Amino acid sequence: EAQVTQNPRYLITVTGKKLTVTCSQNMNHEYMSWYRQDPGLGLRQIYYSMNVEVTDKGDVPEGYKVSRKEKRNFPLILESPSPNQTSLYFCASGRDLYEQYFGPGTRLTVT
Amino acid sequence: AQSVAQPEDQVNVAEGNPLTVKCTYSVSGNPYLFWYVQYPNRGLQFLLKYITGDNLVKGSYGFEAEFNKSQTSFHLKKPSALVSDSALYFCAVRDDNYGQNFVFGPGTRLSVLP
Repeated sequence: EAQVTQNPRYLITVTGKKLTVTCSQNMNHEYMSWYRQDPGLGLRQIYYSMNVEVTDKGDVPEGYKVSRKEKRNFPLILESPSPNQTSLYFCASGRDLYEQYFGPGTRLTVT
Repeated sequence: AQSVAQPEDQVNVAEGNPLTVKCTYSVSGNPYLFWYVQYPNRGLQFLLKYITGDNLVKGSYGFEAEFNKSQTSFHLKKPSALVSDSALYFCAVRDDNYGQNFVFGPGTRLSVLP
């Protein structure tokens, strides 16, 4: 089944404790991206990647890191999480820049 | 920079009636426009896109959208709403002057009443 998977789906952590949210797609897509969803703000793009070893900042990259060492994986790293990073995070992938497939989401709470 | 507005937080419509969810955008280059739907506790699902060509775009589940360049709008429509259409709808834009960056609107919650 073609899909984008994210792990974990739910995470509660404390300020400053490094965490990684994994994202993997099995569709051989070139494009991958991370978004955060906050009430009233919609989705905001954090980082995106057009190919292996090619990443670029979206609209809200501060406090986040990403890497694209393999085509199928695009992990999101929070080196020192803070409460304002409490949000719902979505990973997405696309064969091109015209249609994205979204993962199920990761709900992160930072206390 | 590109931006997207969805002027209505909530749209209520009776089942069987036509529905419209509004979207306006601002770009400096040529716009690529998209609609996505989000059901409760799910990720977003692609509905339709406008890239170029015919201003009326047809998509999944009977939805369509009309691109209006002069009004910078891309409203989502459906001739006859179903209760199962109730969800959160997002309009998104990519400006070809800004590469691969996507900007989403804040979302409109559609409630279809039986």
